[in-house]
Amino acid sequence: QVQLQESGPGLVRPSETLSLTCTVSRGSISGFFWSWIRQPPGKGLEWIGYIHYTGSTSYNPSLKSRATISVDTSRDHFSLRLSSLTAADTAVYYCTRLNRTGGYHRFDSWGQGALVTVSS
Amino acid sequence: DIQMTQSPSSLSASVGDRVTVTCQATQDISTYLNWFQQKPGKAPKLLIYDASNLEIGVPSRFSGSGSGTDFTFTISSLQPEDIATYYCQQYNHLPITFGPGTKVDIK
Repeated sequence: QVQLQESGPGLVRPSETLSLTCTVSRGSISGFFWSWIRQPPGKGLEWIGYIHYTGSTSYNPSLKSRATISVDTSRDHFSLRLSSLTAADTAVYYCTRLNRTGGYHRFDSWGQGALVTVSS
Repeated sequence: DIQMTQSPSSLSASVGDRVTVTCQATQDISTYLNWFQQKPGKAPKLLIYDASNLEIGVPSRFSGSGSGTDFTFTISSLQPEDIATYYCQQYNHLPITFGPGTKVDIK
């Protein structure tokens, strides 16, 4: 069973850029889509975007082009950069595998989540 | 964007009860709908994909149905370990969107 693990800072200052990495183990990053989803404390889930292992991406327009997702197949990891942070970006950030086998879209594997707090 | 609504927002039921959650989309999404279970402090877990397909390893007391704009998620016999928040999620149109969640607990 593929495993995902987020890493990055737990505290970031307003107006700065967040960088998170998701390391994929017990499986290869090749052949799949990979996604970031976030959840503000006590609230619901928001899809940020996804990337195919070949590098093609799609993002949620609600983030107003602040998000960038990249992939490094040689290291089996993918990353999220989110710029111009405000307190509203405080959330648990999850990396997930988006399995599109058979034409379905299954977020079938998730990291444990990384809490990111935006505060000065 | 396609907006997803869920009802009820929370419910309490007894062990062994049948529990039903509904999810409605603002546009036709065919059967492109997933259901997730999230326990406190944990990542969401995929239970149902394509509206009615049970994910591998998920107990058969969970089921889903529906198409178009109206969907139903059912727990046929509520168990103590089913205490969680349940989310629907559509993938027919980008951006992918989630419902606000339904919190289920034991009466």
